[in-house]
Amino acid sequence: DIQMTQSPSSLSASVGDRVTITCRASQSISSYLNWYQQKPGKAPKLLIYAASSLQSGVPSRFSGSGSGTDFTLTISSLQPEDFATYYCQQSYSSFTFGPGTKVDIK
Amino acid sequence: EVQLVESGGGLVQPGGSLRLSCSASGFTFSSYAMHWVRQAPGKGLEYVSAISSNGGSTYYADSVKGRFTISRDNSKNTLYLQMSSLRAEDTAVYYCVKDTKLYSSGWYKAFDYWGQGTLVTVSS
Repeated sequence: DIQMTQSPSSLSASVGDRVTITCRASQSISSYLNWYQQKPGKAPKLLIYAASSLQSGVPSRFSGSGSGTDFTLTISSLQPEDFATYYCQQSYSSFTFGPGTKVDIK
Repeated sequence: EVQLVESGGGLVQPGGSLRLSCSASGFTFSSYAMHWVRQAPGKGLEYVSAISSNGGSTYYADSVKGRFTISRDNSKNTLYLQMSSLRAEDTAVYYCVKDTKLYSSGWYKAFDYWGQGTLVTVSS
């Protein structure tokens, strides 16, 4: 089974900050990597698919990069509505989620 | 508008059974694979089970294999998860999730719509 890790597990940032979250797969998954955002009490929302493609309706301040085993999610200028938990997910072999990265207010 | 509405959650004793349902609308249900994802209180997302569009193929996480059964009724636009031999560690919000395939120099799978979730609590 493919295992996913994320770092950091949490971070504190201010509105306007550039935020980067890292996701690593236990084996190469090419670009089969998705990113989701989850706010408290809500279902996750798809942000990025195929490692770097923005889902329809997602603001352009979100971007993804990487391939193989190492991936990043970047928020170019953090907005108040971006404080949430972010999960990566591999779709190369079945599906596995990373443990999540909580972004909160500094 | 795509809607996924779960039901059937509740409190059940260890060793008991429960059946979750997910009523789907706003898309051609019979054309899409469907999934169940769960989230224990205060924890991350765990992929539980999947079923192909025609129900002919299923997948289970090791943690639920042999205890949970996923099924669907395409005539009723409904997804099910039959859970038996429940354990305390099965306590979680269970989400019904729609599969999609998105194109980006190739086809990629992702989860584009999620239900609001239904809470299953396993406790004596």
